[in-house]
Amino acid sequence: EVQLVQSGAEVKKPGESLQISCKGSGYSFTSYWIGWVRQMPGKGLEWMGIIYLGDSDTRYSPSFQGQVTISVDKSISTAYLQWSSLKASDSAMYYCVSWGGGWNGMDVWGQGTTVTVSS
Amino acid sequence: DIQMTQSPSSLSASVGDRVTITCRASQSISRYLNWYQQKPGKAPKLLIYAASSLQSGVPSRFSGSGSGTDFTLTISSLQPEDFATYYCQQSHSSPYTFGQGTTLEIK
Repeated sequence: EVQLVQSGAEVKKPGESLQISCKGSGYSFTSYWIGWVRQMPGKGLEWMGIIYLGDSDTRYSPSFQGQVTISVDKSISTAYLQWSSLKASDSAMYYCVSWGGGWNGMDVWGQGTTVTVSS
Repeated sequence: DIQMTQSPSSLSASVGDRVTITCRASQSISRYLNWYQQKPGKAPKLLIYAASSLQSGVPSRFSGSGSGTDFTLTISSLQPEDFATYYCQQSHSSPYTFGQGTTLEIK
């Protein structure tokens, strides 16, 4: 079964750093893209960026460029989303999603990671 | 960035109704349009890709159409489990933006 498993919920203080993870299994990880999506409480889906697992080609939404870092460790089939200095406004649910590119839809989603940033 | 605009933002309907949700792109995206369903507390689920291709396992009452800038998602006969929020997304060019969502509620 193809699946993405995300790391657990996080509670952090403003200014702290954080890295959340998304581990893939059941398919050829390096042939896919992994995207990250933010959903703030009660709000819609926001596209953050995407990384190609074969060569680490990374594309950020302008809204998130410079605010987060997307990376991958192919050896353990895991993608990451990282903040260097969290803000309260980063409190949200974060989903990873896989994409085969081209006409394919983004069909496999992680279960989500809740990030809470509060002093 | 390509802006995606859905209408309506919310919709009340009854079981058995036929409903249509529209999605408009700010520029042509060919048929690079996906539709997702999201229920409270759950990850989104892919329903339709490439504007009109039904994702495996999705009931045939869901259908999609359109190309260029205008797209529709149709549910032919609403079932109780279809009450959820629906999002369109373009996968034509990065950033792969979503519409603002359409919440389908029970009348």
